[in-house]
Amino acid sequence: DAKTTQPTSMDCAEGRAANLPCNHSTISGNEYVYWYRQIHSQGPQYIIHGLKNNETNEMASLIITEDRKSSTLILPHATLRDTAVYYCIVRVYSTGNQFYFGTGTSLTVIP
Amino acid sequence: DSGVTQTPKHLITATGQRVTLRCSPRSGDLSVYWYQQSLDQGLQFLIQYYNGEERAKGNILERFSAQQFPDLHSELNLSSLELGDSALYFCASSPSLSGNTIYFGEGSWLTVV
Repeated sequence: DAKTTQPTSMDCAEGRAANLPCNHSTISGNEYVYWYRQIHSQGPQYIIHGLKNNETNEMASLIITEDRKSSTLILPHATLRDTAVYYCIVRVYSTGNQFYFGTGTSLTVIP
Repeated sequence: DSGVTQTPKHLITATGQRVTLRCSPRSGDLSVYWYQQSLDQGLQFLIQYYNGEERAKGNILERFSAQQFPDLHSELNLSSLELGDSALYFCASSPSLSGNTIYFGEGSWLTVV
């Protein structure tokens, strides 16, 4: 699976949009981009995933560049409860492929 | 609440001992995964079971073993424990073998003293 690069940490003001970038320049055509988050030692929580098109759900939006070499997770109105470590993972959706979590981005939402 | 249940939540044991961590997957999920999270190693994939059979192995030590039972619950056995085995152990489950989305439990904190 392709490796990802994320900033170590970011801050965001409460109520503002949090934009978390991820670089995956070696991504293959059949690899999906997934985002999970982990709130202080709780189990990681699925946020969103996508292949080529932008995706949106009740938690967030995922913007994938046309060349698929990078993506951005957008939390539209960050709250204090969004403070967490966010993991960007690229993975082939097929048997035997696991989710390999990197170091992620530690997002702190500031009141 | 993800629906994945792990017990015990906390465990303290001495070096050289053996412990068993238990996981009940979400109702209907056939795949179970085990992950280890320590301060210096991040979240590491250990092993996956699907419908009772081992399907994938990650960075799992030989002192560690796992199994999935007919009722689909899983156990992770850790033996000859060392101080470095102190970590948070997560179980996750998914409906299918490929696991497009996996759901994590709240983890079992293991402290080896």
